[in-house]
Amino acid sequence: DQQVKQNSPSLSVQEGRISILNCDYTNSMFDYFLWYKKYPAEGPTFLISISSIKDKNEDGRFTVFLNKSAKHLSLHIVPSQPGDSAVYFCAASARYNNDMRFGAGTRLTVKP
Amino acid sequence: EAGVAQSPRYKIIEKRQSVAFWCNPISGHATLYWYQQILGQGPKLLIQFQNNGVVDDSQLPKDRFSAERLKGVDSTLKIQPAKLEDSAVYLCASSHTVNTEAFFGQGTRLTVV
Repeated sequence: DQQVKQNSPSLSVQEGRISILNCDYTNSMFDYFLWYKKYPAEGPTFLISISSIKDKNEDGRFTVFLNKSAKHLSLHIVPSQPGDSAVYFCAASARYNNDMRFGAGTRLTVKP
Repeated sequence: EAGVAQSPRYKIIEKRQSVAFWCNPISGHATLYWYQQILGQGPKLLIQFQNNGVVDDSQLPKDRFSAERLKGVDSTLKIQPAKLEDSAVYLCASSHTVNTEAFFGQGTRLTVV
């Protein structure tokens, strides 16, 4: 059941540079998209979300972009900081059942 | 505001034994999810409750897994009998309403030997 895909298992960037994490989905019923951050031995924590009526949402250093025609979303972190090093999960849900599905995650490493 | 509470944090059992996990969601959250996260993979939805009714259990292995949500609040997830491949972190999450963020507990790490 791969309705949400994160094709890059890992990403390494230099501190201060931009981190771009990508996510693709297949279910056209999804209308709400989220990014979660996960540290070891903890549950995922919510980072940022976007509704399908928007194509961009910004919160401080974090911006999520949504391209509905391509069924693609991305998370931009600018500037990247060592504390951002974690696993990032993309998730999507559909209003009709609030069923939230996750991608496999991308491990981000920000090097000082 | 208290977060999602889960217990136990860790559990080691032998295959064919049974095990139960408990979750207390954030007060007032109508939606409760149970996810299974196998090492190196993303969380896989097992079951979703809306209040005390099941919305989606299509990925729940019903021959061995069961779940209930008592009075639309606490929830338990049971595995009986456990298999080696059930070794994973079991995450509980809750959300206030549709299309809002879900908040996760710390999870229960299950090891089946």
